[in-house]
Order: sequence, then structure tokens, then C-alpha cells
Amino acid sequence: ETAVFQTPNYHVTQVGNEVSFNCKQTLGHDTMYWYKQDSKKLLKIMFSYNNKQLIVNETVPRRFSPQSSDKAHLNLRIKSVEPEDSAVYLCASSRDRWEQYFGPGTRLTVL
Amino acid sequence: GDSVTQKQGQVTLSEDDFLFINCTYSTTTYPTLLWYVQYLGQGPQLLLKVTTANNKGISRGFEATYDKGTTSFHLQKASVQESDSAVYFCALVNNNNAPRFGAGTKLSVKP
Repeated sequence: ETAVFQTPNYHVTQVGNEVSFNCKQTLGHDTMYWYKQDSKKLLKIMFSYNNKQLIVNETVPRRFSPQSSDKAHLNLRIKSVEPEDSAVYLCASSRDRWEQYFGPGTRLTVL
Repeated sequence: GDSVTQKQGQVTLSEDDFLFINCTYSTTTYPTLLWYVQYLGQGPQLLLKVTTANNKGISRGFEATYDKGTTSFHLQKASVQESDSAVYFCALVNNNNAPRFGAGTKLSVKP
């Protein structure tokens, strides 16, 4: 099956903890992205990676960092979570700029 | 900078009603315009795409027309079904940037 896979589906944690989310795509795309979707469904791009090169970083807090081992994987680490980090984190990949293939998302709840 | 505006946060219709979702954009160039749809529990998926070359996109009964004069890209469907219930995002792609998404419009269709 070719798609974008994300783990975990859900994660609940306490303020100050570190979390890491995984994303893998089997579509053979060169570019991967992380988006944050808040409770109002607003989509904001956080990072994009093209051939292991960071090409977009939309002024996200420094506690967020993308991690890529190869072009099929792009993980997201949050060093010390804060309440405002509660959201759905969506991973996506694309061959060209406009058609992005999204994973199902990881819902993060910070208590 | 580029922006996309969707003023309707929520639209509620009955089956077989006509759908109209408003989208306007602001940019200094002629971008590619897109509509994405996000069903419950899933990531967004591309519904249709329109470039300056073709002006109109049609997919699964939905259509949108690229209007440079009014800088609009409204989404329409003649007869909605309950299965069309989802969040619809208008988006803009310019140059080599990732898509810029509107705030989304939640469509609820009653049987």
C-alpha cells in the first residue's frame, strides 16, 4: 500500500515532557511536510524537507525540530511541550507543490 | 504576502441542496488554486486544482472557476449528499512555496 503513515494516532502528555512523532511515506515523493491543525481546523505549515534539506520553516518555536533519516521519513520532535501545542499534527508528502498527500494525523493533548 | 480568505466557517444543508463555498485570494501573481477536502478522522486530500491555463476545475461533481477579475475561486456543487459532509479548504500555490490554506469551511449535510 502506498500512502503516508503516522504514529502514534494519539498522545497525551504533561507540560514539559518531550514527545516525538513519526511519519513515513511510501509514495516515492521527494518533499515532506509537517502541518499543525488547531481546534478550529486552521492548517499551518511548520516544516518542509526536500532531499534532507530544510526548505521552509514558518517561525515555529525552537522546541520543535524535524528529523529526517531519508526522503521517506520525517519525524517531529517537541523538546518541552506547552499547553498551546495541543493540536493535530499532520504529515504530508508531495512530488510537485500543489498535490500534497496527507497522513491521518497525530492528535497531541498536553495536560 | 499571499493570503486566502474563506469567510464561511460553517455551512449546513439538506441533501440535494446546491452548495456554494466562498473563497477569495490575494497575491501579486497568477497562482495555482486548489480545493482540498478533509473527512472526519483523515488528513486533507486534493479535490480539484485550477491553473491560469484552464480556469475551471471539475471533480466528483464539484466545480470551481478561477476568476482573476474578482480574485475568487468559489466551490460549487449542484446537489450535495450526506457523504459530502467534511471540511473544505481553499488553497493557493505560488512560485516554489508550499500551499497556503484558507481557514476551512465545515459542511454538514442533513439526510
